Amino acid sequence: GAVVSQHPSWVICKSGTSVKIECRSLDFQATTMFWYRQFPKQSLMLMATSNEGSKATYEQGVEKDKFLINHASLTLSTLTVTSAHPEDSSFYICSARDARATARAKNIQYFGAGTRLSVL
Amino acid sequence: SQQGEEDPQALSIQEGENATMNCSYKTSINNLQWYRQNSGRGLVHLILIRSNEREKHSGRLRVTLDTSKKSSSLLITASRAADTASYFCATDGSNTGKLIFGQGTTLQVKP
Repeated sequence: GAVVSQHPSWVICKSGTSVKIECRSLDFQATTMFWYRQFPKQSLMLMATSNEGSKATYEQGVEKDKFLINHASLTLSTLTVTSAHPEDSSFYICSARDARATARAKNIQYFGAGTRLSVL
Repeated sequence: SQQGEEDPQALSIQEGENATMNCSYKTSINNLQWYRQNSGRGLVHLILIRSNEREKHSGRLRVTLDTSKKSSSLLITASRAADTASYFCATDGSNTGKLIFGQGTTLQVKP
């Protein structure tokens, strides 16, 4: 159980185009999902918290108009990198919390496999 | 901002040996978690320890927590080549569920 599917796993795009990344919880409901960015050999940097049915909460320094997040259902959040530039090239990872988990398990995040974005 | 420091940054051991990784953090926490990441993949949850707990076990994993020193350690016993991965500690100090990740330890287990 607790599987998160992230798609696509790898995308190459031209500078100036927009790229959408999907994050789906396959066997649980997720009122809260998280989007991270990871540079090579570095840790995860939280970009934003995605809340079902409401606006995402962005971390300081993350441009909300650049990284559009939509969480329209209990199982799907999307991250759109708008007008992508080479500096946006990175590994993007989503995670989700099980809305129905109790006690200890409610604090656990389940991660997608990540999306490697390369902007030419 | 990242609040966790992990030590060592890299660790190389032989199969069968034990591996110990340490994590320090800066602010008060509700719980601390350890995650594993294979190269180029997402993270997998390993174990969670609450702030009022001192030690947790799960299979070959043993986690300790010292809130007075704001530190935690992850011990992997009888390591296997398949344990080769990066290991991250993550602290949960708010009611938002946000996790703050440490810098990670890259573990290589040689067959």
